[in-house]
Amino acid sequence: GQQLNQSPQSMFIQEGEDVSMNCTSSSIFNTWLWYKQDPGEGPVLLIALYKAGELTSNGRLTAQFGITRKDSFLNISASIPSDVGIYFCAGEGGTGTASKLTFGTGTRLQVTL
Amino acid sequence: EAQVTQNPRYLITVTGKKLTVTCSQNMNHEYMSWYRQDPGLGLRQIYYSMNVEVTDKGDVPEGYKVSRKEKRNFPLILESPSPNQTSLYFCASSLARPTDTQYFGPGTRLTVL
Repeated sequence: GQQLNQSPQSMFIQEGEDVSMNCTSSSIFNTWLWYKQDPGEGPVLLIALYKAGELTSNGRLTAQFGITRKDSFLNISASIPSDVGIYFCAGEGGTGTASKLTFGTGTRLQVTL
Repeated sequence: EAQVTQNPRYLITVTGKKLTVTCSQNMNHEYMSWYRQDPGLGLRQIYYSMNVEVTDKGDVPEGYKVSRKEKRNFPLILESPSPNQTSLYFCASSLARPTDTQYFGPGTRLTVL
């Protein structure tokens, strides 16, 4: 199946710092999604991106759909302790996969006070 | 309360003993999906369903079966479980497409000895 490479794998940052993570694919996607998973819970949708070049914000979170449609970026500004968790990118609509969702391997974020 | 429920939450079983993990949603969603989560691999889609009696393979369908006889239920069946199916399993549902907000269940931790 298709693969999404997500980096970095993990991050240790101090409260108040900005965070950047990205996701790249060997295939084109029609939609990019970003999810967050808190410990012991299922993922929760943060942001959805529907067209190339789109830049969307949700509070302190900003995500972009890459122009090539093969990548996406998520930025978190002024991190706080509750930002701790695993962040997943996901792509939908790659070649021959109109209704499948492919997830990245995740970025584990740890925030220190 | 709108929710996705999964049962059981935890299961330890032995190789070859058939098991079913149930998933139910009360939001009248058309799209339902099963994922498995393994360390370092993120979430991988096993099967998905666009509506009643419509199911399709995800990226890792081998060793699993599903059925969608009613809109609210989407059970995951392991006919002959093997140790490599030890994982954390999530069921999810969304209104019509995977890019609509997906609501995830609480997860089922399965251990196959």
